Amino acid sequence: SQELEQSPQSLIVQEGKNLTINCTSSKTLYGLYWYKQKYGEGLIFLMMLQKGGEEKSHEKITAKLDEKKQQSSLHITASQPSHAGIYLCGADSSGGSNYKLTFGKGTLLTVNP
Amino acid sequence: EAGVTQSPTHLIKTRGQQATLRCSPISGHTSVYWYQQALGLGLQFLLWYDEGEERNRGNFPPRFSGRQFPNYSSELNVNALELEDSALYLCASSLYIGGATGELFFGEGSRLTVL
Repeated sequence: SQELEQSPQSLIVQEGKNLTINCTSSKTLYGLYWYKQKYGEGLIFLMMLQKGGEEKSHEKITAKLDEKKQQSSLHITASQPSHAGIYLCGADSSGGSNYKLTFGKGTLLTVNP
Repeated sequence: EAGVTQSPTHLIKTRGQQATLRCSPISGHTSVYWYQQALGLGLQFLLWYDEGEERNRGNFPPRFSGRQFPNYSSELNVNALELEDSALYLCASSLYIGGATGELFFGEGSRLTVL
């Protein structure tokens, strides 16, 4: 079965600092999703990557999928307290046939003002 | 330790019918979340239950409802089914301690097909 490893498990940064969260798969990723969990709001969809080498940005968050499609990184520039939460990567390793997603265990991000 | 279990794994209904999906959280977890993943879309938050109460709901019509039982298991009901309700429904559980949710553990999902 698809296994996703996220690192680090938790991260504490000072406001304004940059940070990177990694997501590594043992298998080729057909679709890689990044989610953020905020308190009381469930998961918030951030971005989806499908092609090797693909990079997407939204505001101060950039996600990349490597050429081999086995690793993704999420980079936050000039972090803010609003970025705090749990970041989850999820992957579809089925080739898109059943949309069953496997998720990493998440990275807990704390941003100190 | 058993993970989050969902039933049924697949369900086929016709328009206008009602569907009931069930979820058993990991032992000790008090929070249950329901998500919908429709074709080509990311997860969409449906409902969050904790200690038997609905804590929050996403942007879904009232025909999506649910409940959490005293043993923390949960049920999602979808009334008056529409074709666009066809989706994978994921349940997740977590500890809810001091106002912060812990790591989410997801079930395998229930695939609902509406014909």
